[in-house]
Amino acid sequence: SQQGEEDPQALSIQEGENATMNCSYKTSINNLQWYRQNSGRGLVHLILIRSNEREKHSGRLRVTLDTSKKSSSLLITASRAADTASYFCATDAGGTYKYIFGTGTRLKVLA
Amino acid sequence: KAGVTQTPRYLIKTRGQQVTLSCSPISGHRSVSWYQQTPGQGLQFLFEYFSETQRNKGNFPGRFSGRQFSNSRSEMNVSTLELGDSALYLCASRTPSGGSYNEQFFGPGTRLTVL
Repeated sequence: SQQGEEDPQALSIQEGENATMNCSYKTSINNLQWYRQNSGRGLVHLILIRSNEREKHSGRLRVTLDTSKKSSSLLITASRAADTASYFCATDAGGTYKYIFGTGTRLKVLA
Repeated sequence: KAGVTQTPRYLIKTRGQQVTLSCSPISGHRSVSWYQQTPGQGLQFLFEYFSETQRNKGNFPGRFSGRQFSNSRSEMNVSTLELGDSALYLCASRTPSGGSYNEQFFGPGTRLTVL
């Protein structure tokens, strides 16, 4: 399968804690994106990191990218109940813009 | 700017029927991609259209087809529906590549149920 893998599949934490989820992919990429999906709805774009970048921040989000290991991580700091959602990484499959999504991490933040 | 819109939001069909889903991208976006999301297979890429031409295609049977109009609106058609086609169908639009334009903006999806 071309699909990327995300780890863990599910994560449950207390409000205020940090959440880290990891993504591994198989092909070379131009960029990697992270998305959030709330309960069967459309995906919301969170952050894009290019292949020549190693780290990127956006508010409470921090994304790292290691192209040598073909992996990325998403850190959500000071989590809130509203962060409860599924999180997906997506890669552009070697610049084809045929985006390949990971299997997703289901995050539950307990109030 | 208005976001990506998809119609209808919900659809129930029976096996053997065909269905057409519609997607209107964000104004100015010329690329529209379609994805199928199921619990078993996750999010899978169907195809991408750019300026009325199919530019990329995923690994789906020929029953799945699409097109894009001159105003960038796109339609997706599934013929001879099977139970396994029940899924959330998502479309996404983005501006042409270059700079920060690779972000995809997703619509709310069309939930198709095949009975």
